[in-house]
Amino acid sequence: EPEVTQTPSHQVTQMGQEVILRCVPISNHLYFYWYRQILGQKVEFLVSFYNNEISEKSEIFDDQFSVERPDGSNFTLKIRSTKLEDSAMYFCASSESGVLNEKLFFGSGTQLSVL
Amino acid sequence: AQTVTQSQPEMSVQEAETVTLSCTYDTSESDYYLFWYKQPPSRQMILVIRQEAYKQQNATENRFSVNFQKAAKSFSLKISDSQLGDAAMYFCAYRTLNSGGGADGLTFGKGTHLIIQP
Repeated sequence: EPEVTQTPSHQVTQMGQEVILRCVPISNHLYFYWYRQILGQKVEFLVSFYNNEISEKSEIFDDQFSVERPDGSNFTLKIRSTKLEDSAMYFCASSESGVLNEKLFFGSGTQLSVL
Repeated sequence: AQTVTQSQPEMSVQEAETVTLSCTYDTSESDYYLFWYKQPPSRQMILVIRQEAYKQQNATENRFSVNFQKAAKSFSLKISDSQLGDAAMYFCAYRTLNSGGGADGLTFGKGTHLIIQP
């Protein structure tokens, strides 16, 4: 089965630095998502992306965050001026059509540690 | 706001036995979907089963079935004939339409860690 690929699997950064988390969604998928999971807490929706623009975002996704599809294959999450509380597992996901009942395909996550 | 609650942080079951994982949710929407996702040690979440709110019949996928009680806003997962490979975190999730008519992001519960005892 095709997979969503995320790199790196672990990222360590200093507070105040910028990080870019990378994802390669499944090639024929049109909808892309970022979720995060702070240790011991729920998986939380951050943003969905379709047709080169954000289609939905949560309250968490403030001006510190941005997403981009820089080419035909990658989907990135940029976190500017990282804070300690940004430490979390970040999951990328993709789906074919964005309909309510569809299956989302998740990557294995990037563990971000902000020191 | 929608919420999803999984009241069992951890469950343990003997191999080949049956286990039920609980999930309740809160919503004022009438059209929504409910999902169970499995997260094995590889961390990649995998869809196990899904249920449309309008369907009264409970969904079934091989050894996995749900007990959907819409009035009680309950959506439990039953795993029959548990296997060692079923050991994972299980997340209950909810999805509805956003104000623009598109699908909203998934709302997850905190998860239940399922242990399979050989």
